[in-house]
Amino acid sequence: QKEVEQDPGPLSVPEGAIVSLNCTYSNSAFQYFMWYRQYSRKGPELLMYTYSSGNKEDGRFTAQVDKSSKYISLFIRDSQPSDSATYLCAMSAGSTLGRLYFGRGTQLTVWP
Amino acid sequence: SQTIHQWPATLVQPVGSPLSLECTVEGTSNPNLYWYRQAAGRGLQLLFYSVGIGQISSEVPQNLSASRPQDRQFILSSKKLLLSDSGFYLCAWSVNRETQYFGPGTRLLVL
Repeated sequence: QKEVEQDPGPLSVPEGAIVSLNCTYSNSAFQYFMWYRQYSRKGPELLMYTYSSGNKEDGRFTAQVDKSSKYISLFIRDSQPSDSATYLCAMSAGSTLGRLYFGRGTQLTVWP
Repeated sequence: SQTIHQWPATLVQPVGSPLSLECTVEGTSNPNLYWYRQAAGRGLQLLFYSVGIGQISSEVPQNLSASRPQDRQFILSSKKLLLSDSGFYLCAWSVNRETQYFGPGTRLLVL
């Protein structure tokens, strides 16, 4: 079993839809949870960063962490064509090495 | 603010040729540095990480090597490229050991 599981999609939605992206994990030591956005042929860009359980909102984006279920989510409200990208979840235990464990990424297309 | 540079952006190399990819970070000191490879349709594979000058740890045995000659410089090398070395190579840095920031990447095609 991989440490982080993420449905690769692809996911295709109309503009204005609410998008839900999810990851599950198995390591209860993970404390820091991230979502990266990666446009085609570009490096991943840190989108959201959350410590421990709870919600964090930034504009149209909301990140949720449920440590009891080992489940994290990213919600995108009022999705735009510019949101079309691959979204990678990542998490870490905060060790000295700073190692991150990534999901495989979900490819999202928002069509006008 | 911190920035990370990678070059070249794209590289086409014949099988058996050497490789040198460079990554530099600006605006921070003593970062952890990481090399990843991302193959088409697959996730990020951690290749090497470094917690300081001259300190390199390898995650995956292969014909690649890494060096850190300066605090903010990280180099990925190979003496003889294989077809399977093709991919998108990403450098990343971290100072808080909680998250990482990625460079623009180098696309390598080995023919």
